Amino acid sequence: AQTVTQSQPEMSVQEAETVTLSCTYDTSESDYYLFWYKQPPSRQMILVIRQEAYKQQNATENRFSVNFQKAAKSFSLKISDSQLGDAAMYFCALENSGGGADGLTFGKGTHLIIQP
Amino acid sequence: ETGVTQTPRHLVMGMTNKKSLKCEQHLGHNAMYWYKQSAKKPLELMFVYNFKEQTENNSVPSRFSPECPNSSHLFLHLHTLQPEDSALYLCASSRRQGAGGYTFGSGTRLTVV
Repeated sequence: AQTVTQSQPEMSVQEAETVTLSCTYDTSESDYYLFWYKQPPSRQMILVIRQEAYKQQNATENRFSVNFQKAAKSFSLKISDSQLGDAAMYFCALENSGGGADGLTFGKGTHLIIQP
Repeated sequence: ETGVTQTPRHLVMGMTNKKSLKCEQHLGHNAMYWYKQSAKKPLELMFVYNFKEQTENNSVPSRFSPECPNSSHLFLHLHTLQPEDSALYLCASSRRQGAGGYTFGSGTRLTVV
């Protein structure tokens, strides 16, 4: 079975600063996808960024970028120029490209607080 | 609005009641999922439908019964629930299993009294 671990239950950052959220994972598959999802109080799970395991280049979406270390099975999210609207729960997730019983597997989440 | 709609948004039910949660998507996706989100726990995958066929059932108690009449609609029928079943139930869809990315609804907050 695949697992996703987020070791930071809560992180706090000053507005306009940079913060990095950590994630490690384990899977026996070689082809998979990694994701960061954001869940604000509205409860909607919103896709922030997506990484395909076969791509060495780190994904980036505007202020959001990842540091994907495949050998170490590490997938951290960096948020630059933090904004008040970034405050939310952030979930790291993994899906094997062949699908399977585990579907999209999530970590426990990191609660991100933005200090004005 | 992401394209995945869940109703109702909130539901309070007694342990002897029967109710249903509804999920609808018009994204042209062929796979749909039910997840349970409880406090302090990772999201738990409950059921998977791929091209209207149930492909996974992750040891979910029989008091939860899914139904997928077509690729756009997914239901979760509830009966004789327990207080520990109180949680946020999230529906998601994707192009197919293993396609790399789900679209989620806003969830139904269920309270069992």
